[in-house]
Amino acid sequence: EVQLVESGGGLIQPGGSLRLSCAVSGFIVSDNYMTWFRQAPGKGLEWVSVIYAGGNIYYADSVMGRFTISRDKSKNTLYLQMNSLRAEDTAMYYCARGRIGGRHDFWGQGTLVTVSS
Amino acid sequence: QSALTQPASVSGSPGQSITISCTGTNSDIANYNYVSWYQRHPGKAPQLIIYDVNNRPSGVSNRFSGSKSGNTASLTISGLQAEDEADYYCSSYSSFSPLVFGGGTKVTVL
Repeated sequence: EVQLVESGGGLIQPGGSLRLSCAVSGFIVSDNYMTWFRQAPGKGLEWVSVIYAGGNIYYADSVMGRFTISRDKSKNTLYLQMNSLRAEDTAMYYCARGRIGGRHDFWGQGTLVTVSS
Repeated sequence: QSALTQPASVSGSPGQSITISCTGTNSDIANYNYVSWYQRHPGKAPQLIIYDVNNRPSGVSNRFSGSKSGNTASLTISGLQAEDEADYYCSSYSSFSPLVFGGGTKVTVL
């Protein structure tokens, strides 16, 4: 059975850092294209960062230079290191598996990040 | 502002059919047959319901169907049911980024 479980969210002050984790079972993270998404309150879904199986990485303009995506083969886990957090980063963050053409077939339940003083 | 344009809301009565549009550009929808649709119930993770314009993943009801014409993709829900009340998002492969999304459409079953 495929499962993706995010963790690491919480309340953080502006300028702070958090690391989100996405522990995966049922498929190998490093053999797949993985994406972090987020949904801010009252807003639509937004892709945040993508890491392809071959290692190519992309970031949305809104997080470029502040967020870093990575994966740990031994733990079969995807990460998102978030630095210099801003109020506008407040959102539910999801990890998902991507397939050819950009469809995402398996999603985690999300972890909530709240950036507030 | 989202790269793909969806209506903010669509409503219908039980049993009716509704269609949600998703308008993009020559850099995404018009140029690739890689349109996906997701259903999201409040508090739940998004679920893939259509991929590659008109394909349904295993287990998704055949009441959901997708199509595309030019730079506009569409999701049709036939035989509308109460459980279909949710937010729906379209996405497409893009020439300029890994993915582009619509802003979402709230479907209300009257």
